[in-house]
Amino acid sequence: QSVLTQPPSASGTPGQRVTISCSGSSSNIGSTYVYWYQQLPGTAPKLLIYRNNQRPSGVPDRFSGSKSGTSVSLAISGLRSEDEADYYCAAWDDSLSGHVVFGGGTKLTVL
Amino acid sequence: QITLKESGPTLVKPTQTLTLTCTFSDFSLSTSGVGVGWIRQPPGKALEWLALIYWNDDKLYSPSLKSRLTITKDTSKNQVVLTMTNMDPVDTATYYCARYQNWGSCWFDPWGQGTLVTVSS
Repeated sequence: QSVLTQPPSASGTPGQRVTISCSGSSSNIGSTYVYWYQQLPGTAPKLLIYRNNQRPSGVPDRFSGSKSGTSVSLAISGLRSEDEADYYCAAWDDSLSGHVVFGGGTKLTVL
Repeated sequence: QITLKESGPTLVKPTQTLTLTCTFSDFSLSTSGVGVGWIRQPPGKALEWLALIYWNDDKLYSPSLKSRLTITKDTSKNQVVLTMTNMDPVDTATYYCARYQNWGSCWFDPWGQGTLVTVSS
């Protein structure tokens, strides 16, 4: 069971806006930046959002991140078929001398 | 263009030790603020962070796997090696290495293509 909790699945139709949540605790999300990764089918994960809401170059502005307390959300607007992928949140956890924790992942289906 | 590639055995027997090598290009582990991390993913399951090594040789391991993991670097060869002892079938997974930056973050970018390791007798 992952330290960060994500819904196992999400879905939307092309053009829609979907959000994926990720909840943690004061020792991780509540005290540090959150990162999001996109894993397209059969490929390695790719950094999608860093420091809660920053996009690496090349990531469309359709993707956005937000944080409130011990929860974060990834929003995808103008949903496209190529957005169908697994999405993972990640955060540093201050407990046990510090370590990296990932969420359980959310499979996004574009209907 | 930064690239990383994992290499090692595709099949190991239970109780054996796994040794994986991450060979990278276009960055150096002698650069301040840079590191390499290892992450694995069992088939159909979520990502699991394993270990980090930083430019100054600081190391960090997953608390649940710490006793079985060792991470080292060879700066001159642009390589990072991860060893995992006492392999078990539950360790069957795709193992990824990724460039890491900013100690205390989860900034892994980019990732290698991954290597599938199967643990079976």
